[in-house]
Amino acid sequence: EAGVVQSPRYKIIEKKQPVAFWCNPISGHNTLYWYLQNLGQGPELLIRYENEEAVDDSQLPKDRFSAERLKGVDSTLKIQPAELGDSAVYLCASSLGSGRGSYNEQFFGPGTRLTVL
Amino acid sequence: GENVEQHPSTLSVQEGDSAVIKCTYSDSASNYFPWYKQELGKRPQLIIDIRSNVGEKKDQRIAVTLNKTAKHFSLHITETQPEDSAVYFCAASEDDYKLSFGAGTTVTVRA
Repeated sequence: EAGVVQSPRYKIIEKKQPVAFWCNPISGHNTLYWYLQNLGQGPELLIRYENEEAVDDSQLPKDRFSAERLKGVDSTLKIQPAELGDSAVYLCASSLGSGRGSYNEQFFGPGTRLTVL
Repeated sequence: GENVEQHPSTLSVQEGDSAVIKCTYSDSASNYFPWYKQELGKRPQLIIDIRSNVGEKKDQRIAVTLNKTAKHFSLHITETQPEDSAVYFCAASEDDYKLSFGAGTTVTVRA
């Protein structure tokens, strides 16, 4: 079974340029997460989707970040315009589905390492 | 929101010795505590987790203990091997999806 797939693996851009990251979750996983991981830190949740609905985007900086999961499968995270401080690893994860009292392991992708110059 | 603190930030152990990583959390509503291992340049992978209705869980050489009263939990790795070298993250959550991670512990196992 394939794991969570992300592309690109690495991206270098100039500040003020736009950038987009793509994620394909594990087949059958309804819940999809985007995390930000700064160097030497743990992942921080940006947004969580249940199918195509963004159910928690409270940590997403909406002035420059946007995300979509139009058909409830693949997802795209976009930054426009990118700033120097956005340099980090962007991780996508998926799980079967959440529900009160249920505990579903989150499976992470390999991440996209973004460098903003 | 939940705040998870993790110590130490780095840990160097001799092969065969034990390693212990400790985490504290702030939200008493948290009841799910997973541990992830991240090798250099690789994805985080779940290695063990514990729920609030148990105090200890073991899986071969790794074990996790939980003290809900004190709001801390620990990862224990026994008989460490070179392949245990990685960054380990603890996390806490009151459900299965909103994980708050610690800052990570870099474990180096010396041969």
